[in-house]
Amino acid sequence: EAGVVQSPRYKIIEKKQPVAFWCNPISGHNTLYWYRQNLGQGPELLIRYENEEAVDDSQLPKDRFSAERLKGVDSTLKIQPAELGDSAVYLCASSLRSAGGDEQYFGPGTRLTVT
Amino acid sequence: AQKVTQAQTEISVVEKEDVTLDCVYETRDTTYYLFWYKQPPSGELVFLIRRNSFDEQNEISGRYSWNFQKSTSSFNFTITASQVVDSAVYFCALGAVTGRRALTFGSGTRLQVQP
Repeated sequence: EAGVVQSPRYKIIEKKQPVAFWCNPISGHNTLYWYRQNLGQGPELLIRYENEEAVDDSQLPKDRFSAERLKGVDSTLKIQPAELGDSAVYLCASSLRSAGGDEQYFGPGTRLTVT
Repeated sequence: AQKVTQAQTEISVVEKEDVTLDCVYETRDTTYYLFWYKQPPSGELVFLIRRNSFDEQNEISGRYSWNFQKSTSSFNFTITASQVVDSAVYFCALGAVTGRRALTFGSGTRLQVQP
């Protein structure tokens, strides 16, 4: 079974530029998560989708971040414009359901460096 | 509010030593889940174990064992006879079944196993 796929793995951009990350979850997983992991910290949730609906985006900085999950499968996370403080690893995860106790399977992440 | 504390930032041991990684959590929920994830240098978070709040039985899986004590709100992880391949950052996480249903991660413990 294929795992969670993310691309690109690495991205270096200048501040004020836009950037987008793509995630393909495990087949059949209804719930998709985007986390941000700062250096030396644990991941923090940005947004959670159940199918195509964003059910929790309370921690997503909506002035510059946007996300979508068309057809309830793949998802894209966008930052526009990027700031220096956005440098982090962006992790996508998926789970079968959103019951809180379900195992979340993580992708390899996209390491973003904003210069 | 939920919180996970991993007080050990970094631990260094010599191969074949036993090592225990500490995890203390805070939650007002009566039903919750606890997880351990491993993050090797490749960056992908690998699921290790999940326990629900009603199951305090300790668990052993090969060289890994987990000690869950609700009385002290701790969920510690022990690696017996450590190996170089165990070198990674280990995260403890708390999963809520209500509200945000996201994982709350600790800041991680970096384990270095020297040959």
